[in-house]
Amino acid sequence: AQRVTQPEKLLSVFKGAPVELKCNYSYSGSPELFWYVQYSRQRLQLLLRHISRESIKGFTADLNKGETSFHLKKPFAQEEDSAMYYCALSGNSGAGSYQLTFGKGTKLSVIP
Amino acid sequence: KAGVTQTPRYLIKTRGQQVTLSCSPISGHRSVSWYQQTPGQGLQFLFEYFSETQRNKGNFPGRFSGRQFSNSRSEMNVSTLELGDSALYLCASSLYTDSNSYEQYFGPGTRLTVT
Repeated sequence: AQRVTQPEKLLSVFKGAPVELKCNYSYSGSPELFWYVQYSRQRLQLLLRHISRESIKGFTADLNKGETSFHLKKPFAQEEDSAMYYCALSGNSGAGSYQLTFGKGTKLSVIP
Repeated sequence: KAGVTQTPRYLIKTRGQQVTLSCSPISGHRSVSWYQQTPGQGLQFLFEYFSETQRNKGNFPGRFSGRQFSNSRSEMNVSTLELGDSALYLCASSLYTDSNSYEQYFGPGTRLTVT
């Protein structure tokens, strides 16, 4: 079974401070990992995928297979980063079918 | 280009009834996936359709089903509704342009209330 854990329900940081949103996963194969973001009163949106190794809105995430983690980081938080962040894992659930499993989410609040 | 649209936006049904939700993807996107979002369980994957075929499936009972049409529009059906089916149902359309490029966009959701 695959599982995604986001240990912090709420994370508050000051503007300009570094941000790290934690994500740990449990999966026996090679996972595909994602971060999603939902701003207040907006649609859920894909932030980044680990495969693309890109930086979106200043956020990066590195897959650490040894620690089974995929933490989301940003060096300097901005007020507009305040949102709900979800980590998700796409893995084989059997018989060639893939399933996307989400963490419970972390609400990031950036204090001005 | 137009975004992902979902209809209806709000729905109230009674236990035991069935409901059909619709999702129109972004033009050119052939993959549509469905999700259930509740305060207690969070976001859960229902299924994904690609070129009219169910490609992936989550851990939901058979009361939850879907289909995709030749124009990539998708419908999701829930039969014999239960109170626990009250949720926001999201759909997303996606496109892999090559091995490292992927775009996915979500609709606004359909808020289903079962009484």
